[in-house]
Amino acid sequence: GQQVMQIPQYQHVQEGEDFTTYCNSSTTLSNIQWYKQRPGGHPVFLIQLVKSGEVKKQKRLTFQFGEAKKNSSLHITATQTTDVGTYFCAGQERSGSRLTFGEGTQLTVNP
Amino acid sequence: EAQVTQNPRYLITVTGKKLTVTCSQNMNHEYMSWYRQDPGLGLRQIYYSMNVEVTDKGDVPEGYKVSRKEKRNFPLILESPSPNQTSLYFCASKRGNNQPQHFGDGTRLSIL
Repeated sequence: GQQVMQIPQYQHVQEGEDFTTYCNSSTTLSNIQWYKQRPGGHPVFLIQLVKSGEVKKQKRLTFQFGEAKKNSSLHITATQTTDVGTYFCAGQERSGSRLTFGEGTQLTVNP
Repeated sequence: EAQVTQNPRYLITVTGKKLTVTCSQNMNHEYMSWYRQDPGLGLRQIYYSMNVEVTDKGDVPEGYKVSRKEKRNFPLILESPSPNQTSLYFCASKRGNNQPQHFGDGTRLSIL
C-alpha cells in the first residue's frame, strides 16, 4: 500500500536558523497536505498542494510539491520559538483515497 | 465555534473492559476519521466514514469498531481493550474528499 516517509524525525535548531523537512511517497500523489502539531496539541492544517512543481508561501514558510508529485518539502526561514512543534505531511494517492500521514518531523528551537 | 469534540480527554482503564470514545463535530462535515498517534509512527488511520452508515477500515483497524448513525457523531469502540492500544487518539472531520482535516483535542488512553 501507499507509504509516506518523512525526514528527519527530529531537528534541533538555534533561533534564526533555517529548517527543512522532506516528505517522500512510494506512489504518485494527487495532492499533499501539511499540518503542524504544537506540543500537547492537535494537528492543525497548514496548506494543500495539488499541482506538479507547485510552490506556496506563508510568511516564513515555503512549501514545494515535486515535479513527479512524489515528494514535497516544507522550509522555514529564520526559525522562531513559535515554530516549535511536529510537522506532518499527508498524501492522497488519488481523489477519493485515504489520506496517509508521514511520521512527522519534531522541531525544537533554542532561543 | 466550529469544532470537533472528543470525550474523554484522558482515560486509564484495564484490559478487557469495554470503552467508547465519543466524537462529535458541528460543521456538518461528510467525512470523519479516527487516528492513533504513537511515537515515531506518526498518525495512523483506524477507521473512516464518508457519510452516515458508510464506514471503512483504515491502516490499523484491528481491535476497534466504529459506527456512524448520525452525521455529527462518530464513536470509537474498544470491545476488549489491550495494553497495545495504549495511545493518543484523534478524531477528525472534513467537509469533502480533498479538503483539510479538522482534528479534535485528542484522547489519551492507557490500558493496564
